[in-house]
Amino acid sequence: AQTVTQSQPEMSVQEAETVTLSCTYDTSESDYYLFWYKQPPSRQMILVIRQEAYKQQNATENRFSVNFQKAAKSFSLKISDSQLGDAAMYFCAYRSLNNAGNMLTFGGGTRLMVKP
Amino acid sequence: ETGVTQSPTHLIKTRGQQVTLRCSSQSGHNTVSWYQQALGQGPQFIFQYYREEENGRGNFPPRFSGLQFPNYSSELNVNALELDDSALYLCASSPGPFSGNTIYFGEGSWLTVV
Repeated sequence: AQTVTQSQPEMSVQEAETVTLSCTYDTSESDYYLFWYKQPPSRQMILVIRQEAYKQQNATENRFSVNFQKAAKSFSLKISDSQLGDAAMYFCAYRSLNNAGNMLTFGGGTRLMVKP
Repeated sequence: ETGVTQSPTHLIKTRGQQVTLRCSSQSGHNTVSWYQQALGQGPQFIFQYYREEENGRGNFPPRFSGLQFPNYSSELNVNALELDDSALYLCASSPGPFSGNTIYFGEGSWLTVV
């Protein structure tokens, strides 16, 4: 079974600065998907960014980018030019190609606070 | 706005009772999955339905059951409620059961068991 670990329960960043959230995972599979989801107080999970394990290039989505280190099983999220609206819980998630398609394994989350 | 709607948004039940939570998937999405998110934790996969059949299940007991209807909407039923069942229940839908599809989540149903 796969596991996902987020070692930072809380992080804080000044508005307009950059912050990096960490995620490590454990798997014996060679091909899979990794995701970062944002969960604001409304509780709806919003997809931030997605990475296919077979792609060496790190995914980027506007101010969000990842550092995917497959050998180290590390998948960190970098948020540039942080905005007040970025304050939320962030979850790292793993998706196997061998399980039910919608089965995500989530980490425990990191609460991001943005200071004005 | 993901187009995934859940009801009710909040409810309180007594230990031992049964509860039904409902989910309408995004238009065109034939795959629905349910997650349980306890306070302060990440969501945990309960099960997935594709074309009205359960085709994937997480580590949850049989008192957690579900249905998917011909219009792809879904229900989550929990029998013999326990205090530990208190959680946010998230529904998610996708256009197919395959791992490459994007999953869209609803806002969840808060269940409190007293």
